[in-house]
Amino acid sequence: AQSVAQPEDQVNVAEGNPLTVKCTYSVSGNPYLFWYVQYPNRGLQFLLKYITGDNLVKGSYGFEAEFNKSQTSFHLKKPSALVSDSALYFCAVRDRRAGNMLTFGGGTRLMVKP
Amino acid sequence: GAVVSQHPSWVICKSGTSVKIECRSLDFQATTMFWYRQFPKQSLMLMATSNEGSKATYEQGVEKDKFLINHASLTLSTLTVTSAHPEDSSFYICSARDPGSTEAFFGQGTRLTVV
Repeated sequence: AQSVAQPEDQVNVAEGNPLTVKCTYSVSGNPYLFWYVQYPNRGLQFLLKYITGDNLVKGSYGFEAEFNKSQTSFHLKKPSALVSDSALYFCAVRDRRAGNMLTFGGGTRLMVKP
Repeated sequence: GAVVSQHPSWVICKSGTSVKIECRSLDFQATTMFWYRQFPKQSLMLMATSNEGSKATYEQGVEKDKFLINHASLTLSTLTVTSAHPEDSSFYICSARDPGSTEAFFGQGTRLTVV
């Protein structure tokens, strides 16, 4: 079975400061890892993914994430937060051997204050 | 990226009626689509996997007769909430994965309110 944990329900950051949204995962094999963002009453938008290769992946809107196999983590980061980054962020994992099924974390609400 | 279109974006219906939600992959063919339900301030709960040309696979606890899924073509899956009740009010989201991609793409979601 695969699972994802996002330990923080909410992260508060001041605009211009760096932000980190945490994610840890559990899969039996090698994972595909994803971050999605959701704005109110909207579907999920793809931000970035880790498939293989470089542990630091860069995605949309200046976001990046670092895959850490030993810590089974895939934290989302951004060097300088914007108020418009305020949204709900979901980490997701797919076991390469488990077909198409995505498992989501509980979500973290990011609040960026001016 | 690939585009998944979901319609309607919101719907209000009376108790006892049925509501159909459509999910279309606009620029790719999807043999598999997924239907999720999201409660306020909560994560997505997978309801069922929709398979083109065959029966959907439902997750444990999801009523097959209440949430009817049809995947009649490679670009369209529908979710019909039958005999809706207020407790069915929720945000429903579909997704599909372009076979050429590793990530899934999501529809805009449908907010269903049953009164």
